[in-house]
Order: sequence, then structure tokens, then C-alpha cells
Amino acid sequence: SQKIEQNSEALNIQEGKTATLTCNYTNYSPAYLQWYRQDPGRGPVFLLLIRENEKEKRKERLKVTFDTTLKQSLFHITASQPADSATYLCALALYSGGYNKLIFGAGTRLAVHP
Amino acid sequence: EAGVAQSPRYKIIEKRQSVAFWCNPISGHATLYWYQQILGQGPKLLIQFQNNGVVDDSQLPKDRFSAERLKGVDSTLKIQPAKLEDSAVYLCASSLRSTARSSYNEQFFGPGTRLTVL
Repeated sequence: SQKIEQNSEALNIQEGKTATLTCNYTNYSPAYLQWYRQDPGRGPVFLLLIRENEKEKRKERLKVTFDTTLKQSLFHITASQPADSATYLCALALYSGGYNKLIFGAGTRLAVHP
Repeated sequence: EAGVAQSPRYKIIEKRQSVAFWCNPISGHATLYWYQQILGQGPKLLIQFQNNGVVDDSQLPKDRFSAERLKGVDSTLKIQPAKLEDSAVYLCASSLRSTARSSYNEQFFGPGTRLTVL
């Protein structure tokens, strides 16, 4: 069966440390993968996209890796801050019938403590 | 630029009643999506429009849910009749385009409508 798995338990880290979130998937062949941030009571906000032929992308304190052999993406936040506390969703882009659509994981809640 | 607008923000209804949600996407965005997000889960795509045509409604419970996108702009999602398991946040999103496997497809989400069915 097709699955997207993210750490179900909350990730608690100290301010200044690097947070690493994992997204694993099975039986999908995504064209690309996206990471979104979701705060309570709000819609998801796009953070980064990485294509199937890319290994790593960076944006400021964020870094995403994508290993299509392992079927895994890692999302890193360096020098984390309490303001980074939120739920982070990975989403696979599947191409079918001439259109892309996103399949979301359940998300991982990150809590950064001062 | 203005974001995706949704209304109402909250709705409480009894089971078997009807409810409708409205979405106004970002101007110029051809693709519009409706997602259902149950507490503790990620958003699940219900229906995807390209302009005013449906390109994916494979996960829409068509016996009770319906959606339309008038003139390729605003959209409404309706549930009739509602069930207890429909309690969720309904998110609307839009993007510039979704065609071509390699096309960039950042989605912009609205704040969602929280539906509680009693």
C-alpha cells in the first residue's frame, strides 16, 4: 500500500540546536517533494521544494535532502528558535492525467524551548 | 497581494443538516483545491479544479459532497447531509498551474473553515 510517514511524536529541542524531521514514503514515485509549515488555526505555508533529480536544497536556515533510492526526505532547521515551533508537513507531488497533485503526510510537531 | 479567502471560519451544525463553504483564490491562479484536514492528520485532497473544470475528485464522497467553481474564480464546497465524521477543517488552496510533471506547484492556503457536526 502507499504510505507517507512522518515522526508521529513531537520533537522537542533546545534553542540553537538543529532540528531534523524525517519523511519516508512507500510505493510512490513523486515528481518532487515539498515541505510546509502549519501553525495552530492556520493553513499550511510553503517552505521548500525539492525535485526528484535534486539531492539537496537550502534556504536561509532550512535545508532539505531527497533520496529517491531510500524514499526519504530530511528537513533540517539550523540554529532553531522558539518561533520555529509549529507542525511541519511533507507533501509528495504525484503526476497523473496531465496534472500534479499533492499527497500530505500527517506532519511532525516541533517544539523549540528557550 | 491578497491571500486565499475563506468563509465562514467556523461552523457548527447538527448531523443530517447541510453546510456550504466559500473560497476566493488568489487572483490569476488557475488551479483551486479543496482539502479536508481531520485533527492530527495531514490535509487530504477532496477536489482539484483547473480553471472551472474538475481534474481530480477521486477522494470526494460524491453521495454527500459537491463542489463547483463558477467562472473559474470563486468556489463553493457543499455537504448534504453532514455526518459526524465530517467534522474537520476544510482548507482551500490555489496555485498558478499544476500541469507538466516538472512544473513548480507552490500552493497557497486559506485559513480554513472549522466544521463541527454534532
